[in-house]
Amino acid sequence: DQQVKQNSPSLSVQEGRISILNCDYTNSMFDYFLWYKKYPAEGPTFLISISSIKDKNEDGRFTVFLNKSAKHLSLHIVPSQPGDSAVYFCAASSGGSNYKLTFGKGTLLTVNP
Amino acid sequence: KAGVTQTPRYLIKTRGQQVTLSCSPISGHRSVSWYQQTPGQGLQFLFEYFSETQRNKGNFPGRFSGRQFSNSRSEMNVSTLELGDSALYLCASSQAQRGANVLTFGAGSRLTVL
Repeated sequence: DQQVKQNSPSLSVQEGRISILNCDYTNSMFDYFLWYKKYPAEGPTFLISISSIKDKNEDGRFTVFLNKSAKHLSLHIVPSQPGDSAVYFCAASSGGSNYKLTFGKGTLLTVNP
Repeated sequence: KAGVTQTPRYLIKTRGQQVTLSCSPISGHRSVSWYQQTPGQGLQFLFEYFSETQRNKGNFPGRFSGRQFSNSRSEMNVSTLELGDSALYLCASSQAQRGANVLTFGAGSRLTVL
C-alpha cells in the first residue's frame, strides 16, 4: 500500500521554464510534507517543506503547494536550471515523528539547456 | 560541521552472508534513521534510534537489525543475505526535537548481493 505516490517517473523541461512535480498521498494523518533532491552517488538533500496548516511555502526558486482536500502537493521550480536535474522525492510524516518519513518513488527531472 | 558519514560506501556480498553498515551522525544529532532504496522504489523506512533505543521500526524481516551507541553512532546489520537485499542503504540523522524537523542523509552504502 503506497501512501505517497509520485505518478510521473520522469519529467523533461527546458532551461528557464517552470518545472512542476506532483505528489499525492492517501494517509489523512500526514501533517508535514517535504521535498528532497537526490543526485547520483549522493544521499538525498532537503529542499523545502510545508506544514499542513499552510497551503504554500516559498524558498527562492522553489515553491511547494499543498491541497489538503485533494491530498495533493506540488513542487514548482521557476526558472528551471540544468543543475536542477536530479531525482526529486516527496515525503510525508505524521504526529510530530518527523524522523519517520514515508517517501514516494521519485521523479527524475531533466532540465535541458 | 561534518555531515552524516556512512561506511563502507560500496560492498559486495554473497547470499547467506551477513553485513554490518556503519553511520556517524552529525555532531549533536541524537536520532539516527535507516532507509533502504531499491531500483524502482522510493526510500523505505527501516528503523530509527534515539538514545540507544529503537523507537520505531518499518516493515522489514527480523534479518534486519540495528543498534545505536552512546556517542549516537549507529550500525545496521543484515543477516542471511538474499539477492533482494541489494540496495542503497541510507542513514539519516536529526536533532529529534518535537515539531518540524529535517533529516540529513549520508551518501549511503551500496550493497550488492551475488
